[in-house]
Amino acid sequence: AQSVTQPDIHITVSEGASLELRCNYSYGATPYLFWYVQSPGQGLQLLLKYFSGDTLVQGIKGFEAEFKRSQSSFNLRKPSVHWSDAAEYFCAVWRDSGGSNYKLTFGKGTLLTVNP
Amino acid sequence: AAGVIQSPRHLIKEKRETATLKCYPIPRHDTVYWYQQGPGQDPQFLISFYEKMQSDKGSIPDRFSAQQFSDYHSELNMSSLELGDSALYFCASSTVDRGSYEQYFGPGTRLTVT
Repeated sequence: AQSVTQPDIHITVSEGASLELRCNYSYGATPYLFWYVQSPGQGLQLLLKYFSGDTLVQGIKGFEAEFKRSQSSFNLRKPSVHWSDAAEYFCAVWRDSGGSNYKLTFGKGTLLTVNP
Repeated sequence: AAGVIQSPRHLIKEKRETATLKCYPIPRHDTVYWYQQGPGQDPQFLISFYEKMQSDKGSIPDRFSAQQFSDYHSELNMSSLELGDSALYFCASSTVDRGSYEQYFGPGTRLTVT
């Protein structure tokens, strides 16, 4: 079974600093990978996704992520963090279990705190 | 653009009661997923429907049932509620058209069992 690991439970950065959130996956085939963001008590918003092609993908809100097959990683980055980026970030992998079954498996999440 | 609609947004029930959560997918989306997110936890897949048929099942208790109707909306029925059922329940929808596999999430229903 595939799994997603987010090694960092909580990260604190200063506003304006760069950010990298780590995500590692365990999956036999090339996975479909996603990053979602969740503000407190809110739903999940898709930041970006990787299906195939260019391994550096751009997302919304200035985020990008790089797929590295050799490291089984899909790390999320942002060059300059804003206070409004404080939220929980989930990495997820899509598993094709046959037919049209595309359920997502999520990592445990990384809580981002932004200091002024 | 239309989003996934969930109702109610908040629900308070007592133990052993029954709850029904509703989900209205994005128009022309053919697949609906239900996820449960406990406090401080990651979302866990419960069940999914494709074209009104159950397509996959995750860690959904036998006390829960769900279905997708002819208009593609879905309902999650939860009986004999337990304190541990208190969670945020998300519905997501997607379509396989155009090779797009993104799941779009609704705002969630926060269920509190007292």
